[in-house]
Amino acid sequence: DAGVTQSPTHLIKTRGQQVTLRCSPKSGHDTVSWYQQALGQGPQFIFQYYEEEERQRGNFPDRFSGHQFPNYSSELNVNALLLGDSALYLCASTLEGFSYEQYFGPGTRLTVT
Amino acid sequence: AQRVTQPEKLLSVFKGAPVELKCNYSYSGSPELFWYVQYSRQRLQLLLRHISRESIKGFTADLNKGETSFHLKKPFAQEEDSAMYYCALSGLSGNTGKLIFGQGTTLQVKP
Repeated sequence: DAGVTQSPTHLIKTRGQQVTLRCSPKSGHDTVSWYQQALGQGPQFIFQYYEEEERQRGNFPDRFSGHQFPNYSSELNVNALLLGDSALYLCASTLEGFSYEQYFGPGTRLTVT
Repeated sequence: AQRVTQPEKLLSVFKGAPVELKCNYSYSGSPELFWYVQYSRQRLQLLLRHISRESIKGFTADLNKGETSFHLKKPFAQEEDSAMYYCALSGLSGNTGKLIFGQGTTLQVKP
């Protein structure tokens, strides 16, 4: 089991563009959360998906949206990119009922120029 | 407001010295507290959670509700303990796994 996988590893976009990041959860996990980690900061919760629906959301604008597929994989979409969106985006998966232990992916480094 | 504060960005100690990484939190309710660790070139991983009361890799952490603290301690630091440590909390009631992280403390253990 490769654990949580994320793609791409790195991404460079221009202000105003749109981006899609992808995450495959650890085998057997059904819940996916997304976090944004700015340089020198701790991860900040964006939202969580369970049963293909957004279950909980952090303090992020509507430009941030997501999706979960029937195979539990997930996408994070960010529209109208701003320079401040440059960060490491982390995906974490867990199994419903065992949410105390979240398994993190290696992250996608997004740079907005 | 829900918040986790780690006052030290960097903690540097010599091998064999005691380590204490500080964590304070604010939360209205009953939180669950965690320590996550990220070693160089590795992904973020759970180190320990307060409910389990375990000692992992020689580290322990006690939840002090009166002082709203959850400090991470180890009596004798090892060079392999060098890493970034994050304190995090999650709400126990209706817990869906949302984690609130502190800013992190880099632990540097010198030989």
